[in-house]
Amino acid sequence: AQSVTQPDIHITVSEGASLELRCNYSYGATPYLFWYVQSPGQGLQLLLKYFSGDTLVQGIKGFEAEFKRSQSSFNLRKPSVHWSDAAEYFCAVGVPKNMNYGGSQGNLIFGKGTKLSVKP
Amino acid sequence: NAGVTQTPKFQVLKTGQSMTLQCAQDMNHEYMSWYRQDPGMGLRLIHYSVGAGITDQGEVPNGYNVSRSTTEDFPLRLLSAAPSQTSVYFCASSRDRREQYFGPGTRLTVT
Repeated sequence: AQSVTQPDIHITVSEGASLELRCNYSYGATPYLFWYVQSPGQGLQLLLKYFSGDTLVQGIKGFEAEFKRSQSSFNLRKPSVHWSDAAEYFCAVGVPKNMNYGGSQGNLIFGKGTKLSVKP
Repeated sequence: NAGVTQTPKFQVLKTGQSMTLQCAQDMNHEYMSWYRQDPGMGLRLIHYSVGAGITDQGEVPNGYNVSRSTTEDFPLRLLSAAPSQTSVYFCASSRDRREQYFGPGTRLTVT
């Protein structure tokens, strides 16, 4: 079965430091890949997405992610973290609809999330 | 466009009560889905629909029913609420089953 792993449950970084959140997935082909951010008590905001093409994807709020097929990874990065980036981050994988995967095309499988704390 | 709307935003139920969480979208998306979010678990798919009249189960369907009589609406029913259903529920829709648009969520507490 497909799965998404975010190995870090909680990360703390200093404001201004760089950030990398890890995401690995298991799937036989290239899925659709997403990163979402959720502030406490809020809904999900899409940071960026990868469907195909250039493996380095730019998103909102200065975030980027790189798809590495050989490592089945889609890690999220930001060169300089701001205090307002403190939130929970979710990686998600979607099954392309032309893939026969038991009818689950279009559904998202989420990682369990990484909580980011930012030190002043 | 209002996008994906969910009502209510908050709800408290007693064990055994029933209720319906409402979800509507005005983007004419065929695909709609319900997820629940629990601490440390991420979001898990409950049920989904690929069009009016067509629904299917996701990862955690037990205790929930859905129907899709129109393209716009996809209600989620809890027939007999249990404390294990305390969660935050998100509805989502998609035009092409790639990018999904999420509603603001419903926070449900079952006592």
